[in-house]
Amino acid sequence: AQSVTQLDSHVSVSEGTPVLLRCNYSSSYSPSLFWYVQHPNKGLQLLLKYTSAATLVKGINGFEAEFKKSETSFHLTKPSAHMSDAAEYFCVAPLYNNNDMRFGAGTRLTVKP
Amino acid sequence: NAGVTQTPKFQVLKTGQSMTLQCAQDMNHEYMSWYRQDPGMGLRLIHYSVGAGITDQGEVPNGYNVSRSTTEDFPLRLLSAAPSQTSVYFCASRQGRYVAQPQHFGDGTRLSIL
Repeated sequence: AQSVTQLDSHVSVSEGTPVLLRCNYSSSYSPSLFWYVQHPNKGLQLLLKYTSAATLVKGINGFEAEFKKSETSFHLTKPSAHMSDAAEYFCVAPLYNNNDMRFGAGTRLTVKP
Repeated sequence: NAGVTQTPKFQVLKTGQSMTLQCAQDMNHEYMSWYRQDPGMGLRLIHYSVGAGITDQGEVPNGYNVSRSTTEDFPLRLLSAAPSQTSVYFCASRQGRYVAQPQHFGDGTRLSIL
């Protein structure tokens, strides 16, 4: 069964420094994977999606993620954090057998001035 | 573009009361769903619908009812509210039935059960 593990519940960075949010997945086949962002008191917004067309996926707001099958990872990165990046980030995998989505527990990103 | 609209944004209920959370989308999406978000647990699927007149249970359906009489609307009913149902509820929709398509989310309903 597909499962998603976000390795950090909270990440704190300084403005202008790189961001790394880690996600591992477990699956017996190459999955589709998503990263969503949730700003305070808002719904989730799609950042990017991996669909096996390319292992490096570029998303909105300068984020990108690399799918590494050998490491079963799909980490989210950004070269330079901005204050507006402060939010909660979710790694998500579809569950093909029951029309559901498996959400990671979330990583809260804090950006310090 | 309204997207997915949820009402109300906030609600406080007493144990045993019933209420309906409203969800409407204006994108003509086939698939709609309800999630609850609890701290440290991500989002969990309550119920979903693949089209008007068709609904099914998700991971945590107990205590909730849904119906889908139109493509646009997908209300969630709490039959007899319990403190364990205190949560943030999100409605979402996507274009088709294929599960690997991204979803569009509403801004949520924050529900407290006293």
